[in-house]
Amino acid sequence: DSGVTQTPKHLITATGQRVTLRCSPRSGDLSVYWYQQSLDQGLQFLIQYYNGEERAKGNILERFSAQQFPDLHSELNLSSLELGDSALYFCASSVGRANNEQFFGPGTRLTVL
Amino acid sequence: LAKTTQPISMDSYEGQEVNITCSHNNIATNDYITWYQQFPSQGPRFIIQGYKTKVTNEVASLFIPADRKSSTLSLPRVSLSDTAVYYCLVGPAYSGAGSYQLTFGKGTKLSVIP
Repeated sequence: DSGVTQTPKHLITATGQRVTLRCSPRSGDLSVYWYQQSLDQGLQFLIQYYNGEERAKGNILERFSAQQFPDLHSELNLSSLELGDSALYFCASSVGRANNEQFFGPGTRLTVL
Repeated sequence: LAKTTQPISMDSYEGQEVNITCSHNNIATNDYITWYQQFPSQGPRFIIQGYKTKVTNEVASLFIPADRKSSTLSLPRVSLSDTAVYYCLVGPAYSGAGSYQLTFGKGTKLSVIP
């Protein structure tokens, strides 16, 4: 158990819908990272927040957005969902502002029908 | 943006040393190399991180040549439980200013054979 929690574990929805994925980092970690893992694309870095502020941005689509709240939990919002958005979404946390050791959550499996 | 390339798969017998190489020709001066292990249906787990030369911990060693355009993860005496996907990650690991990106390789699926 990494100490990072993600909810829900599974999510099934339809195209065009909007969903919110939630992540709680390890106690004491200020950074939260979001990743997308699909079969054909591997592990893709989406975005990082540090202490409530956006720190780094990867290949995140404009339909996706994220935020980190004062209690340090984070949410990833996915809108206008397409079939290709079906994937595992991982959240990770780390102590520092940069890419030091990251602790990954168990992931949320999103299925878009 | 540093792109990484890894072998898609590797097989090894139990008890052997396994070396997995990651190529990152466009690595930036501030980038570190980090390796993660992932089992099916689980999140990746940190193995080791380094900048140059050699880093060793209780589970692995990381070799980075002087030009830093590649790195090699070495797993000594693998066991069946080391069967997993191994990812190479390139990105800065310091608290500097400015935005950055993290680039994961597509992973190497290691199968350990009894």
